[in-house]
Amino acid sequence: AQSVTQLGSHVSVSEGALVLLRCNYSSSVPPYLFWYVQYPNQGLQLLLKYTSAATLVKGINGFEAEFKKSETSFHLTKPSAHMSDAAEYFCAVSDLGNAGGTSYGKLTFGQGTILTVHP
Amino acid sequence: SQTIHQWPATLVQPVGSPLSLECTVEGTSNPNLYWYRQAAGRGLQLLFYSVGIGQISSEVPQNLSASRPQDRQFILSSKKLLLSDSGFYLCAWSKQGIRLEQYFGPGTRLTVT
Repeated sequence: AQSVTQLGSHVSVSEGALVLLRCNYSSSVPPYLFWYVQYPNQGLQLLLKYTSAATLVKGINGFEAEFKKSETSFHLTKPSAHMSDAAEYFCAVSDLGNAGGTSYGKLTFGQGTILTVHP
Repeated sequence: SQTIHQWPATLVQPVGSPLSLECTVEGTSNPNLYWYRQAAGRGLQLLFYSVGIGQISSEVPQNLSASRPQDRQFILSSKKLLLSDSGFYLCAWSKQGIRLEQYFGPGTRLTVT
């Protein structure tokens, strides 16, 4: 089974500072990787996805992530944080589940990183 | 474009009462459908998965059940709620296939008292 580890359950930055959220994956096959954002009491919104094309992936709201196979990493970055970026961020890897003998595609999520932005 | 709806948005129920949460998807056909639960500080737990009408699978035994009476409708139920059923319930959909992104609904906040 595939897995992801998000380093740091809480990250705090000042407005205008670089945002770096770390994600490392474990996968026995070339992975498809995703970053989601969740604002309080809302569902998850897809930020970006890596599907084995370009290693640098650009997403919405100025975020981007770089796939590094040698480091098994897919860190999320944004050059300048805004107050509106405060949220919880989840890294996910495509996986194959098995329920009742039936295989199906699923996502395996990290535990999440809460980003706080200070004025 | 596709949209996903969940209701109710919030729910407070006593222990032992029944539960029914509904999820519907618009703008697509034959989607994969998922139910997740988020408990405080515990990340996302996949509860149920469905590839078609009447086809429900669960990886985690629990007090809950799911049904898919129509192609784009997914229902989460319980006959008797436990305190441990409290949490934020999210419905999601994806296209058929593997290695695909999922799109999430707005969620239902369930508090069991």
